[in-house]
Amino acid sequence: QVQLQESGPGLVKPSQTLSLTCTVSGGSISSGGYYWSWIRQHPGKGLEWIGYIYYSGNTYYNPSLKSRVSISVDRSKNQFSLKVNSVTAADTAVYYCARALMIRGVIETFDYWGPGTLVTVSS
Amino acid sequence: QTVVTQEPSLTVSPGETVTLTCASSTGAVTSGCYPNWFQQKPGQAPRALIYSTSKKHSWTPARFSGSLLGGEAALTLSGVQPEDEADYYCLLYYGGVSGWVFGGGTKLTVL
Repeated sequence: QVQLQESGPGLVKPSQTLSLTCTVSGGSISSGGYYWSWIRQHPGKGLEWIGYIYYSGNTYYNPSLKSRVSISVDRSKNQFSLKVNSVTAADTAVYYCARALMIRGVIETFDYWGPGTLVTVSS
Repeated sequence: QTVVTQEPSLTVSPGETVTLTCASSTGAVTSGCYPNWFQQKPGQAPRALIYSTSKKHSWTPARFSGSLLGGEAALTLSGVQPEDEADYYCLLYYGGVSGWVFGGGTKLTVL
């Protein structure tokens, strides 16, 4: 069974770059049929889709975050990563990585999720 | 800006049936929005329940079902159990315009 685990600093200063990594186990990130996603949840609030990447490097981002976000993949380490530039307090959230399942070439669901990691933006 | 709206809260008694709904600011929710439903309990990651309107994951209990109802996506729990108390989020797909958009969530209380 596939498992995902987020890792990275829990505290980031305003205006700096937030960087997180998701390590995938129990399956290969290069096997195809999946996109690898980031989703966040502000404290006490709802969920927000950030974006996702295919093992080939194709990416899709939430238009509202696109100018500050980048997602990359490291197939050799079975990992994918998130960077958010120029962070503010509004980027404080629990960040989840998740697997997006494609069925006949269409993403239909986000089936497996990591436990999440809290990132606080504060000086 | 695309907004997905859910009931903020619902209260139900054990054994009853309850339906949660998910509406789109752009108009009727269709199968092309690939409606998803997630359950989230305190301190846990969301757990996928329903995808593509009505498909169930292998771990989804039989009492959960999804549908389209009056232009909205719907999640029905038939015979609610105390362990179903949680937040429920719907998720809709809008293509290149907005990508995937979550609803604000419904807090389901089982009393």
